[in-house]
Amino acid sequence: NAGVMQNPRHLVRRRGQEARLRCSPMKGHSHVYWYRQLPEEGLKFMVYLQKENIIDESGMPKERFSAEFPKEGPSILRIQQVVRGDSAAYFCASSPTAANTEAFFGQGTRLTVV
Amino acid sequence: AQKITQTQPGMFVQEKEAVTLDCTYDTSDPSYGLFWYKQPSSGEMIFLIYQGSYDQQNATEGRYSLNFQKARKSANLVISASQLGDSAMYFCAQQGTSYGKLTFGQGTILTVHP
Repeated sequence: NAGVMQNPRHLVRRRGQEARLRCSPMKGHSHVYWYRQLPEEGLKFMVYLQKENIIDESGMPKERFSAEFPKEGPSILRIQQVVRGDSAAYFCASSPTAANTEAFFGQGTRLTVV
Repeated sequence: AQKITQTQPGMFVQEKEAVTLDCTYDTSDPSYGLFWYKQPSSGEMIFLIYQGSYDQQNATEGRYSLNFQKARKSANLVISASQLGDSAMYFCAQQGTSYGKLTFGQGTILTVHP
């Protein structure tokens, strides 16, 4: 049973480009969470999705950021028109139920905006 | 709203000694979960230990144990017999009642000296 898979591991984008981060949850997990870790900080919740539904996006910036978790395929975190302040590590976690006792994290995608 | 506080930005310990990493939390949820994660320099988030608020006993996982004091709202991580490989950033996190969203503390950098 493969763990949570995130790709790419490292992503470099120029200012103004789009960044697409992918997360494949563990097999059988239908709950996905995205977190952002700025340098020297802890992880901050961004969005919680179940298949085809956004349940809580209270941590998402109001503009340029969007997330989806389609019926088929990975969850996608999309950042449009990236700026230098978007440079961070983005982590995805998945769980089999809403109230899990162990959140499994992917290895993260490190986004660098140049 | 939930809040997690880790008051120790950095800790040092001698190899083979025990070390305690502090974590306090603040929540109004009637039930909740507390997690500890390790983040080595490679960046991945490694789950260490989980404590449910209604668990009668303190959680233990190998060399890791959680000193859970509910009345004080503290959930300190105790690492026994420290190893050089324990050098990493450690995060405390809380999960509320409704679903698996985690709120993280600022982290503590642990350095194990030979």
